[in-house]
Amino acid sequence: NAGVTQTPKFQVLKTGQSMTLQCAQDMNHNSMYWYRQDPGMGLRLIYYSASEGTTDKGEVPNGYNVSRLNKREFSLRLESAAPSQTSVYFCASSEDRPGWETQYFGPGTRLLVL
Amino acid sequence: GNSVTQMEGPVTLSEEAFLTINCTYTATGYPSLFWYVQYPGEGLQLLLKATKADDKGSNKGFEATYRKETTSFHLEKGSVQVSDSAVYFCALSLNDYKLSFGAGTTVTVRA
Repeated sequence: NAGVTQTPKFQVLKTGQSMTLQCAQDMNHNSMYWYRQDPGMGLRLIYYSASEGTTDKGEVPNGYNVSRLNKREFSLRLESAAPSQTSVYFCASSEDRPGWETQYFGPGTRLLVL
Repeated sequence: GNSVTQMEGPVTLSEEAFLTINCTYTATGYPSLFWYVQYPGEGLQLLLKATKADDKGSNKGFEATYRKETTSFHLEKGSVQVSDSAVYFCALSLNDYKLSFGAGTTVTVRA
């Protein structure tokens, strides 16, 4: 059981380049999330998807777009990367029923924008 | 809005010492409360949770009690091990199931 997988593990971009971070889960969860983790700030929600075909903005959506390709996959796209987007990105998924709120996280993607 | 405040780290302890990490929250309703742990180089994983007032969550020797009167969910462990070295995050969730995280507390346990 792989849980939540993310690719790539590490990426270096130049300012203005674009890239897509991939996330997949095999737990049949309805909800998926993208977070960024910065020192001293905990995790901040970028976008989430409560079900296949729906996406909503989180706390820090500017500069990002997402696609919920199907129930398993949720991708995060940076159209024009900026140094302020240097961060560690985590994908998560959850069942989202009362008593089942636990989110399961992937191993993260470390992104450096030069 | 909803927010979580954790004690600042880093915290450095010797093996078998007592660990407490303070966590307080502000929420517009009655949240579920969580502690997540992040071991070096890994993603976050759930350590324990409590979904209503006076509930105690426990796992791997860690405990936390949901205190509505003080809006707190402090994490404790009586005797830490080197393997407990990690970053610990307090978080809350309301009916929309989105998590709001604290800033995280880095704990280092020395042998």
